[in-house]
This record gives sequence, structure tokens and C-alpha cells, in this order.
Amino acid sequence: DAGVIQSPRHEVTEMGQEVTLRCKPISGHDYLFWYRQTMMRGLELLIYFNNNVPIDDSGMPEDRFSAKMPNASFSTLKIQPSEPRDSAVYFCASRGTMGLGDGYTFGSGTRLTVV
Amino acid sequence: GEDVEQSLFLSVREGDSSVINCTYTDSSSTYLYWYKQEPGAGLQLLTYIFSNMDMKQDQRLTVLLNKKDKHLSLRIADTQTGDSAIYFCAESPPDDSWGKLQFGAGTQVVVTP
Repeated sequence: DAGVIQSPRHEVTEMGQEVTLRCKPISGHDYLFWYRQTMMRGLELLIYFNNNVPIDDSGMPEDRFSAKMPNASFSTLKIQPSEPRDSAVYFCASRGTMGLGDGYTFGSGTRLTVV
Repeated sequence: GEDVEQSLFLSVREGDSSVINCTYTDSSSTYLYWYKQEPGAGLQLLTYIFSNMDMKQDQRLTVLLNKKDKHLSLRIADTQTGDSAIYFCAESPPDDSWGKLQFGAGTQVVVTP
């Protein structure tokens, strides 16, 4: 398996523009998580899905952020409009339910810079 | 504040042992994890321990769990420069055991020659 695949790896955009981050989880994993990492706030859970259904979106900063999972192999995180304070590394992770000891598998992240 | 707490920084000389400490708050957590994040990369699962265990050893890594004190530690023997990274402790709360993990803030480990 190629692991969790995120795209793009880097994104530079101007304030006010729409940004879409993409994630392909590991095949067979039924949990998908979106995290944001910054120096100031560390690793923050934004939202997670189980079987494509959003379970907890309490970490989504505000209405400018939205996430979807239209099928088991794809998820998006959208920011519209983007602001400089959204600059961070955004990670997607997936997890199966075969064994708790497997933990999460993280993607390599998308480094977002909003100027 | 954080449910899982870690010291933020550790400096260690190459060849010495590193010990990274973590405290957690949920005494009924089922699994506890250690993740490693190298620069520019995602978090990678290093090892985990089930809550009914006291110790787990995996090559140069030793995990110790003290359930009474809710203290978890990761010992890296013969630390190498490639061990320089951020190490995250995480717990799997039983009320959401199949779902989300609670991560600490991470410990930056710097290995000096």
C-alpha cells in the first residue's frame, strides 16, 4: 500500500482565495482524520470521519473551513476564503479497526502558506 | 490545557540513552503510543503499549508504563543523529477507543555529536 496520500505537498495562495487540500486514505481504513500543525498551537484535530460520515468537527476553526468525504477513498478540506493565520501544515491520517495497536497512519502533509 | 503532557525539549549526546517522558490523564486509556516526526514529514508510529503491560522492548526502544502515576516513557538506547526528531505521546481513550487519539505537544529531541 502506498500509505496515506496527500496533495498538494506545498500550496502558496493569496489571502481571500479558496484552497482545497486532498487526501487518499489507506484502502480498508474506515477512519479518516484531518489535523493542523503550527508552532504556536501544536497538533490540532480539526475533524474526523468514520465510514465517510463526519463524527466530530468541533475542532474546525470557523465556517471558512469545510471537509467532505464523498467516498471511502477520498476526502477534501476546503478553506474559503483563506487568511494568513491559516498558514500551517495540514495532515491527513487514517486508521482501521482491525487492531487498536496499529494507531494512525499519517500522510506527509500539505504545507499551506497564505500571503 | 493538554490532556497529555510532555516536556518540550531534550538534548542528548550521540551514543547516550534518551528518555522522553509523558503524563496522561485518563487512567482507563487502553493503548498508549509513541510517534516520531522528522523534519518535513508526517508522524510515524514508533511503538505502542497496551495498558495491561508495564514494559515493552523493541530493538533500541523501551517503553515503560506506570499506570498508578499515569506516566509513560520512551527510552532510546545508543541514540544516533537520525533519532533527532519530535516525539509525540498519544493515548486512546476508552470512550472513543476505536476513534481519535489524544496527542501531547511533542518533545523535540536534538542529538549532538
